[in-house]
Amino acid sequence: DQQVKQNSPSLSVQEGRISILNCDYTNSMFDYFLWYKKYPAEGPTFLISISSIKDKNEDGRFTVFLNKSAKHLSLHIVPSQPGDSAVYFCAASDHGNQFYFGTGTSLTVIP
Amino acid sequence: DVKVTQSSRYLVKRTGEKVFLECVQDMDHENMFWYRQDPGLGLRLIYFSYDVKMKEKGDIPEGYSVSREKKERFSLILESASTNQTSMYLCASRQTGGTYEQYFGPGTRLTVT
Repeated sequence: DQQVKQNSPSLSVQEGRISILNCDYTNSMFDYFLWYKKYPAEGPTFLISISSIKDKNEDGRFTVFLNKSAKHLSLHIVPSQPGDSAVYFCAASDHGNQFYFGTGTSLTVIP
Repeated sequence: DVKVTQSSRYLVKRTGEKVFLECVQDMDHENMFWYRQDPGLGLRLIYFSYDVKMKEKGDIPEGYSVSREKKERFSLILESASTNQTSMYLCASRQTGGTYEQYFGPGTRLTVT
């Protein structure tokens, strides 16, 4: 059973607008959450993370929000750029050994 | 810059063959991981290792084994390849503690015919 879910397989956004990617999880023991970005024919690269003791973490154009009561996290990209077009995976961990990934959301930023 | 390399980008094998996928990292990371990525299923953990000669099963270890004889190298072995093991295989490493960030290799696209 999928413990981390990304229910939107794809998302299209106009350049300059906000992209919001969503992720839900089921295991309340998860204590750390990460977002990765993946271009075709490359491995995923780390984007941003958040600990369960926080509800927001910001890094430049990227912000991750965590709602523990809803078991939901989201990644906001503002403003979106064509180079942001990629597949985004969220991942969750219980104490850093095993990581559970979502199925990915393919973001297309339209110039 | 952390570098994780995988021995092949593309591999074609026949059913029943023994297949070795090699992964090497250059940052002295203690932890290494093997995932497979399939459409609609995301990344699923096959095995991980937190030290030399140590290994732990992930979510889908059946049909696979691993070897970690040196800290920088983590090998995935398909003892008898089957067509349902056709997939993208991704290796990753991370240091113990820190931000839990994993560094991934470019992946090996394995096709079993």
